[in-house]
Amino acid sequence: QVQLQESGPGLVKPSQTLSLTCSVSGGSISSGSFYWSWIRQPAGKGLEWIGRIYNAGTTNYNPSLGSRLTISLDTSKNQLSLRLSSVTAADTAVYYCVRERSLKYYESGGNYYLIGAFDIWGQGTVVTVSS
Amino acid sequence: DIQMTQSPSSLSASVGDRVTITCQASQDISIYLNWYQQEAGKAPRLLISDASNLETGVPSRFSGSGSGTDFTFTISSLQPEDIATYYCQQYDYPPLTFGGGTKVGIE
Repeated sequence: QVQLQESGPGLVKPSQTLSLTCSVSGGSISSGSFYWSWIRQPAGKGLEWIGRIYNAGTTNYNPSLGSRLTISLDTSKNQLSLRLSSVTAADTAVYYCVRERSLKYYESGGNYYLIGAFDIWGQGTVVTVSS
Repeated sequence: DIQMTQSPSSLSASVGDRVTITCQASQDISIYLNWYQQEAGKAPRLLISDASNLETGVPSRFSGSGSGTDFTFTISSLQPEDIATYYCQQYDYPPLTFGGGTKVGIE
């Protein structure tokens, strides 16, 4: 049974960088046709997909977050990480680490990539941006 | 980006009632739609993938249908444990996007 556990500072100052880690247990982060995503949810609001990574290092980021975002994998530790720079109060949210089960291919730039459903979620970690 | 519009944003129904939620995509996404349930204070749970495929362990009173731009999620007989917010999500093309959610309550 794969389980995900997010960790990181619960409080980040404005303009600083938010850094979170997700530890994966019960399975290898580099096996299977899975992407690994980060999704966030401001208090009382809906879900926003942040970005995702595949074990070959392929990433997709939400354009709304632009160049502030970096998602990476550490296969030796079976972890994925999120770094979001220049944070503001608008980045205050519960951040979820999520496994994406592949259901189909899509084409982009002549290459084919997997995409699908978020089938396993971490419990989420609250991040507040405040001075 | 593909926009997902859910309606209603909230509803109340009696135990045993049939509940229907709709989700509309801003463009044709074929059947590439998932539904999630989020209970208060918990992470979302995947209920339905490919518009109508029920995940293992999900009660059969939940169902989904539709293709193209219009989709429906149904609870055939509302139970007290179904109190939650439900989200649709498209996976036709990145960025993966969610509907705004429908909060389901008991009258």
